[in-house]
Amino acid sequence: GNSVTQMEGPVTLSEEAFLTINCTYTATGYPSLFWYVQYPGEGLQLLLKATKADDKGSNKGFEATYRKETTSFHLEKGSVQVSDSAVYFCALSDPRFGNEKLTFGTGTRLTIIP
Amino acid sequence: DAGVIQSPRHEVTEMGQEVTLRCKPISGHDYLFWYRQTMMRGLELLIYFNNNVPIDDSGMPEDRFSAKMPNASFSTLKIQPSEPRDSAVYFCASSLGTSDSDTQYFGPGTRLTVL
Repeated sequence: GNSVTQMEGPVTLSEEAFLTINCTYTATGYPSLFWYVQYPGEGLQLLLKATKADDKGSNKGFEATYRKETTSFHLEKGSVQVSDSAVYFCALSDPRFGNEKLTFGTGTRLTIIP
Repeated sequence: DAGVIQSPRHEVTEMGQEVTLRCKPISGHDYLFWYRQTMMRGLELLIYFNNNVPIDDSGMPEDRFSAKMPNASFSTLKIQPSEPRDSAVYFCASSLGTSDSDTQYFGPGTRLTVL
C-alpha cells in the first residue's frame, strides 16, 4: 500500500540556518505530493504541493521537488525563522481514490532558536 | 470564507458518556474528512464523505464510533460510549470535488479528554 516515511524529529536549528526535512514515499500510480504545516494549537495547513515528477512546489521560502527516481519530496528552506517552528507533515494522494484521500507521514517537529 | 468550523474546541467527559463532535465544512466543498491525532499513532483518517455519502470508513476504530453527514454543511462524529483511549485531537477537513480535490483544508480541531 501507499506510505510516507519522514525524517525523525525533533529538529532544532538556530535562526537563519538551512533546513532540510527528508521525505520518501511508496505509492501505486502517480500520486501528488504535499507538505502540510501545523502550528501550535491549530489544524494542518497546506504549505506546498507538486503534482507530477520534477515539479517544484514553493511557498513562504520553502521548496520541495518531486523526485520520481528517488521517490522523494524533501522540504528545504535557505534561512529559517523563529516563526517557522511547527510540525511538518509530508503526504501523498491516492490516485486509486481519485486523489482526494491523503496518506500522511508521522510529522517532524521543528524548533527554531533565536 | 470562515474556513472549516469545529465545535466544541475542547471537550472533557467521563468514561461511558456519549460525545458528539461537530463540523461545518467550507461552503461548496464536496468532500469531508474526519481525522484523529495522537502522540502514539499520529494522524489517522477515520472516515470521509463525498456529497454527504460515506466513501471509506475503514479507519473507524470500532462500533462505538459513528459519523453522519445529514447535509452539505454539517457533519457529526459520535463516540458512544467513550473510553479514556479515545482521548485525542479530532480534526475535520474539507476539499473541493474538482482537479484541486486533493488539497484539504483543516479545521482547528476538537481536543477530547475522556477521564
